Amino acid sequence: GAVVSQHPSRVICKSGTSVKIECRSLDFQATTMFWYRQFPKQSLMLMATSNEGSKATYEQGVEKDKFLINHASLTLSTLTVTSAHPEDSSFYICSARDYRDWVGAYEQYFGPGTRLTVT
Amino acid sequence: AQSVAQPEDQVNVAEGNPLTVKCTYSVSGNPYLFWYVQYPNRGLQFLLKYITGDNLVKGSYGFEAEFNKSQTSFHLKKPSALVSDSALYFCAVHSGYALNFGKGTSLLVTP
Repeated sequence: GAVVSQHPSRVICKSGTSVKIECRSLDFQATTMFWYRQFPKQSLMLMATSNEGSKATYEQGVEKDKFLINHASLTLSTLTVTSAHPEDSSFYICSARDYRDWVGAYEQYFGPGTRLTVT
Repeated sequence: AQSVAQPEDQVNVAEGNPLTVKCTYSVSGNPYLFWYVQYPNRGLQFLLKYITGDNLVKGSYGFEAEFNKSQTSFHLKKPSALVSDSALYFCAVHSGYALNFGKGTSLLVTP
C-alpha cells in the first residue's frame, strides 16, 4: 500500500528558531501533498496544498511567510515553521495523493505526524 | 461549502456490542465521503470511502458505513466492537481538492 513518512516524529525547539518537517511518499509519486495542523483533541485543519514544481496554495488565515512549503520533487514536500513561537506548538500531519489514482478516488495517504513543541 | 458534522464527541460501547459513530454531510453535488481512524500520536488510517455505487460500503478491520442520501448521513458501524477499536474517528468529505474533516468522535470500547 501507499506509504507516507514524516521526519522528525517529534521536535522541540526554542522560541525564535526555525524547524523543517519533511514529508515523503515512499512507494508512489505524489503531485499533490497536503499539510494539516491538529490541536489536542481537535480535528485536522488544512493549512496548505502543495503541488510539485509550483507554489503552495495556503488556506485563509495561514501565514505564508511563517509556514514555508516547498514541494521540490514528486516524493518530497517540506514544511518550515519560521521564527517559531509557543503558539505554533501542534501536531502537523501531511498527506499525499498518488498521481496514478483515478481522479474519482480522491484518496489521500497520511503520514504519521510530527509533534512540534516550542519552548 | 462541503462539510461534515459528527454530533458526538465520545461514544462508549462494551466489547462485543455493535457500535455506531455518526456523521452527517452537507454538500452541493455528489458527496465523496471518507472515514479515517487515528490512534494516539499517530497519523490517520483510511477505513473506507463512498464515491458511488452501493450505499453499504465495507472497509478495513470489519467496519462498514451506509450512505443515506435522504438523511444526508454516512454513519460508521461495526457489528461487534473490540477494545482495540478505541481511537479517534474522523468523517471527511472531499471539498474539490482536499478533505474537510469533522471534529472527530472518540470511541471507547470497554472490556
